[in-house]
Amino acid sequence: GAGVSQSPSNKVTEKGKDVELRCDPISGHTALYWYRQSLGQGLEFLIYFQGNSAPDKSGLPSDRFSAERTGGSVSTLTIQRTQQEDSAVYLCASSLGLGGYETQYFGPGTRLLVL
Amino acid sequence: AQSVTQPDIHITVSEGASLELRCNYSYGATPYLFWYVQSPGQGLQLLLKYFSGDTLVQGIKGFEAEFKRSQSSFNLRKPSVHWSDAAEYFCAVGAGIKAAGNKLTFGGGTRVLVKP
Repeated sequence: GAGVSQSPSNKVTEKGKDVELRCDPISGHTALYWYRQSLGQGLEFLIYFQGNSAPDKSGLPSDRFSAERTGGSVSTLTIQRTQQEDSAVYLCASSLGLGGYETQYFGPGTRLLVL
Repeated sequence: AQSVTQPDIHITVSEGASLELRCNYSYGATPYLFWYVQSPGQGLQLLLKYFSGDTLVQGIKGFEAEFKRSQSSFNLRKPSVHWSDAAEYFCAVGAGIKAAGNKLTFGGGTRVLVKP
């Protein structure tokens, strides 16, 4: 079956511009996670959705970052007024949403470069 | 707060030799532990996971890991490495609390190079 998909795969933007990153989770997965992978910080959690709600936003690094999920499916991560330190690979993962031991399935990521 | 340490940033191993990747975690309760592999330009693929029961866990691609509570470790092993095992490996611990989701805390990763 189809896995987690993300778009675009690569994004180059200029400092100060807004960007939107999209995640399509596996069908039927109610839990959705965003992570960021950067050279300086490694892999870090950003936000967690259960359905359309985000009970844990503790990893969002600043108020320039926001995310939403609609219809319990697609999620969009928005970065406003991008900065060079936002350059990273943004990974999305989904899981069934039934318990903490379950597997998170990761998408291929969006590589963001802020010039 | 939970944390994960992977002491080795790089490991070089000859094809056919054994491989062991170290992982130490810090977590107050019984942890949910995971090993993921990331090949160049790819997303993360789960190799194996542990949350209870037998402390020796078998995974895909011939990998296994052993949970040792006394040492707060979850080391990954493979008896005989193939060239295709060259990748970056991440150990992670999950919060496991349904209400707050199972956000993963990752170690810094270990990059494995395989010599022919």
